[in-house]
Amino acid sequence: GAVVSQHPSRVICKSGTSVKIECRSLDFQATTMFWYRQFPKQSLMLMATSNEGSKATYEQGVEKDKFLINHASLTLSTLTVTSAHPEDSSFYICSARIEPSPSNSPLHFGNGTRLTVT
Amino acid sequence: AQTVTQSQPEMSVQEAETVTLSCTYDTSENNYYLFWYKQPPSRQMILVIRQEAYKQQNATENRFSVNFQKAAKSFSLKISDSQLGDTAMYFCAFMKHGTGNQFYFGTGTSLTVIP
Repeated sequence: GAVVSQHPSRVICKSGTSVKIECRSLDFQATTMFWYRQFPKQSLMLMATSNEGSKATYEQGVEKDKFLINHASLTLSTLTVTSAHPEDSSFYICSARIEPSPSNSPLHFGNGTRLTVT
Repeated sequence: AQTVTQSQPEMSVQEAETVTLSCTYDTSENNYYLFWYKQPPSRQMILVIRQEAYKQQNATENRFSVNFQKAAKSFSLKISDSQLGDTAMYFCAFMKHGTGNQFYFGTGTSLTVIP
């Protein structure tokens, strides 16, 4: 089945530093990838849609200058949390759909990244 | 905007018994897709089952089946012969047809299977 690899799985950083999270589609191409944020015991909140070769589309209320997204190839999207603060501590999950795919194709998720900002 | 509601934050079931998780959604669309995802303690999101809105027949996947009531906008998940490995958060999700893939997730139901 389709595999989405996300790295790192855990990261601890100091306040003010930047952290990069990678999301790779291992056995399929993805012109579109999605970045979600999940707080403890809560649902997934879509942050942005990453588009290969063009700018990401951010959801309302998500700071694009804080959460930089780059989708430089058909298999890699990165999320950089810039100048991280403790309130950015969360679980971040990327996902993608196989392309081309039937319209009912589900999202395939990475294993997530737990970010802790001290 | 689409909304997905899961009214049961927590549920428990005895091992080998059957449990039903509820999900309702609100949409004006006629063509869409519904999914149930499972998130075990490992936090990996795993697809459990999917349903196309244009299909009247309820989807089934081994011990998992859905009761899809389009008019009522209801999409419940039934787990038969519950196993300890079924313990997880379960999220219902909605996707409009042909919209660029945006998924809307419910708030989740935490299911505990009791030995």
